[in-house]
Amino acid sequence: GENVEQHPSTLSVQEGDSAVIKCTYSDSASNYFPWYKQELGKRPQLIIDIRSNVGEKKDQRIAVTLNKTAKHFSLHITETQPEDSAVYFCAASQQGAQKLVFGQGTRLTINP
Amino acid sequence: DTGVSQDPRHKITKRGQNVTFRCDPISEHNRLYWYRQTLGQGPEFLTYFQNEAQLEKSRLLSDRFSAERPKGSFSTLEIQRTEQGDSAMYLCASSRPSYPGGGSPNYGYTFGSGTRLTVV
Repeated sequence: GENVEQHPSTLSVQEGDSAVIKCTYSDSASNYFPWYKQELGKRPQLIIDIRSNVGEKKDQRIAVTLNKTAKHFSLHITETQPEDSAVYFCAASQQGAQKLVFGQGTRLTINP
Repeated sequence: DTGVSQDPRHKITKRGQNVTFRCDPISEHNRLYWYRQTLGQGPEFLTYFQNEAQLEKSRLLSDRFSAERPKGSFSTLEIQRTEQGDSAMYLCASSRPSYPGGGSPNYGYTFGSGTRLTVV
């Protein structure tokens, strides 16, 4: 089955700097890659997703890139703000399989 | 609130007792999922329904776990003879059907706030 590895497990950056979180997946049949943000005690919330027919997607300060050949995808957050502090999870799934396989999470801390 | 609702938010039970959780999905979502999340880990898939049909179960879902979605609306997850290792956050999610043109089946995947189970 699919296996998703996420790095780093913790990341601390200065406010205003960029943050990058990377994930690799094992199943070449996976074709949908969402990213979730989870604040302490709250539900995971979808922040951006990408399908395998595109290589990059941007939404304001957040972008996701996908390299199908290498089977890895990354989340990029620019101009970080204190409210970006949270745990971020990547996930992968196959069309038709429905379930998401999640990475282990990255705890992002933005230092003022 | 038109999001995914879960009840109860917290449950403390003694080892060996049975517990049942409820999930009410977004009304137009026909797919419903159960995940389990332990501290410091990502959610792990347990099972998934399309309408009332349970289409996939993880091997994580032992015989003590059972899930139902009798009328294709709300779902229940029951854990029998709870063990301390069952302590976790149980998350429910729902999603829309695929676009007719074959769009992503995961579009609109929304999580509930979860039920935190503590087995003592």
